Amino acid sequence: DAGVIQSPRHEVTEMGQEVTLRCKPISGHNSLFWYRQTMMRGLELLIYFNNNVPIDDSGMPEDRFSAKMPNASFSTLKIQPSEPRDSAVYFCASSKVREQYFGPGTRLTVT
Amino acid sequence: RKEVEQDPGPFNVPEGATVAFNCTYSNSASQSFFWYRQDCRKEPKLLMSVYSSGNEDGRFTAQLNRASQYISLLIRDSKLSDSATYLCVVNGDSGNTGKLIFGQGTTLQVKP
Repeated sequence: DAGVIQSPRHEVTEMGQEVTLRCKPISGHNSLFWYRQTMMRGLELLIYFNNNVPIDDSGMPEDRFSAKMPNASFSTLKIQPSEPRDSAVYFCASSKVREQYFGPGTRLTVT
Repeated sequence: RKEVEQDPGPFNVPEGATVAFNCTYSNSASQSFFWYRQDCRKEPKLLMSVYSSGNEDGRFTAQLNRASQYISLLIRDSKLSDSATYLCVVNGDSGNTGKLIFGQGTTLQVKP
């Protein structure tokens, strides 16, 4: 079975540019989570969806960040405009009951 | 106080050693507990869920003490391949909404 799929795997962009990260959850999973990981702050939950509905976005750092889940098999996390401090690894995870399964992550570098 | 606290280590142990990691959590209403493993530059992967009665999976044993809000992971007969960061994970609210809080992780290095 395919796991969580994320794209792109690596993204290098200049400050001020828009960045869109994509995620396809595991088929049949009804919850989707976006995380950010840095050395300083560890793994932080940004937002999560249940049945395509955003439930908790309290972890979204600023209005520059937005996330959507238009259907059960696709979600995006957008940063506009991007800043160097957004550089991190962004993980998407999905779950059916309790356990979450992570995608390989997108390594974002903003110069 | 952090919601989930772990000793960051690193723990450096020889092959074959037994090593234990501890974790404390602040939300007494938490219902779900897990250990995840993360290799360098990879995603976190579920190692095991932690149940009230304690549970074992091969060389790995997890224990939960709700009264002390304390979780442990014991690795016996450690292998070189056990070298990784181990993340203590607790659900972030009293319901089972799925929101998880991750500790900073404990790094394990197993040496030959």
